[in-house]
Amino acid sequence: KAGVTQTPRYLIKTRGQQVTLSCSPISGHRSVSWYQQTPGQGLQFLFEYFSETQRNKGNFPGRFSGRQFSNSRSEMNVSTLELGDSALYLCASSTGEGERYFGPGTRLLVL
Amino acid sequence: QKEVEQNSGPLSVPEGAIASLNCTYSDRGSQSFFWYRQYSGKSPELIMSIYSNGDKEDGRFTAQLNKASQYVSLLIRDSQPSDSATYLCAVKSGSYIPTFGRGTSLIVHP
Repeated sequence: KAGVTQTPRYLIKTRGQQVTLSCSPISGHRSVSWYQQTPGQGLQFLFEYFSETQRNKGNFPGRFSGRQFSNSRSEMNVSTLELGDSALYLCASSTGEGERYFGPGTRLLVL
Repeated sequence: QKEVEQNSGPLSVPEGAIASLNCTYSDRGSQSFFWYRQYSGKSPELIMSIYSNGDKEDGRFTAQLNKASQYVSLLIRDSQPSDSATYLCAVKSGSYIPTFGRGTSLIVHP
């Protein structure tokens, strides 16, 4: 089975711009979660989608949003980028239970 | 607030030794427990899950769960330099999302 794929892998943006990241889960998995990882804060949960519905949401500002399509692919969007948004953004796929299978991540640098 | 605590390390062990990584959690209702390995610059990789009290072995890895004491540990036997990574503990209760610890850095030196 193919693993979780994320695009793009690397991204450089400037403050104030917006960015869209994409994630394709493992075939058959209906849940996609998004995480932000920084050296200082560790792995922080952004949101989770299951069958196109947001099921859980972390404590991030409204600039962070996401959606899931009928084929389970998911996108997350960050508007009005700030320097502090520089991080590794990870997508994780699951059947809806506890185990998470992470994609390779998108490394975002905001200048 | 659900909390998962791990010693950040680094934990340094010689090659061939047993590495013991520990994790404590605050929610007594937690039901599912996971260990992930994350190499520097890479994404976390699931290595073990455990749901019942006791030990679960998979190759050189053993996960130990003690719900009464609210801790879960990961033992790595015959540690190799390739085991050097950060190990993340994750704990899940009911329908809530898993809560991740901040990880323990393991260094296995030749």
